[in-house]
Amino acid sequence: GAGVSQSPRYKVAKRGQDVALRCDPISGHVSLFWYQQALGQGPEFLTYFQNEAQLDKSGLPSDRFFAERPEGSVSTLKIQRTQQEDSAVYLCASSLERIGGGSQETQYFGPGTRLLVL
Amino acid sequence: AQTVTQSQPEMSVQEAETVTLSCTYDTSENNYYLFWYKQPPSRQMILVIRQEAYKQQNATENRFSVNFQKAAKSFSLKISDSQLGDTAMYFCAFMTIYGNKLVFGAGTILRVKS
Repeated sequence: GAGVSQSPRYKVAKRGQDVALRCDPISGHVSLFWYQQALGQGPEFLTYFQNEAQLDKSGLPSDRFFAERPEGSVSTLKIQRTQQEDSAVYLCASSLERIGGGSQETQYFGPGTRLLVL
Repeated sequence: AQTVTQSQPEMSVQEAETVTLSCTYDTSENNYYLFWYKQPPSRQMILVIRQEAYKQQNATENRFSVNFQKAAKSFSLKISDSQLGDTAMYFCAFMTIYGNKLVFGAGTILRVKS
């Protein structure tokens, strides 16, 4: 079916504003990941869901960042009181299943949301 | 913690020629996965090739192949018969066998010239 989709593709926010970024994973994919990609850098892990359970949020940079996946499908990454250092591309990825103790399946990425905080 | 290093910020290659992108990594794990991802200017990340560390045979996908040297912790990508559509940022990535996140290098910009 369709690939991973993300919306909006671009978001400009004023410093202090709250933003919400949406990810629609590939249908049937159990695992969902969020990454942050600063300009000219490789993506960095933020958080991981298996179905609706958030199993790893070790990469979230501060308590202003919050992610949820209430029904085990669509996920939302929320950033409260945005700061200029939050400007980045936010990538969502999904994979089919989690085997044994870890995800052995390939992660498929969405096009990303480019966030600019002024 | 695992780290991935890509020492070539930019590379250029003539169309139809071969180019090799370098990647080294650091880990204390014995079993893990390595990946090369391609990110064209449109920014959609696409998997190019994947290697399981327990497999001695180097992975190959059409024009793309890897040289996996486990003892040296090296994982280079060879692109044969380069095409204009290969122009992109290439990322090397690592994942432990029980892990749930990819650890990426800083990337190499590859430009294929006509």
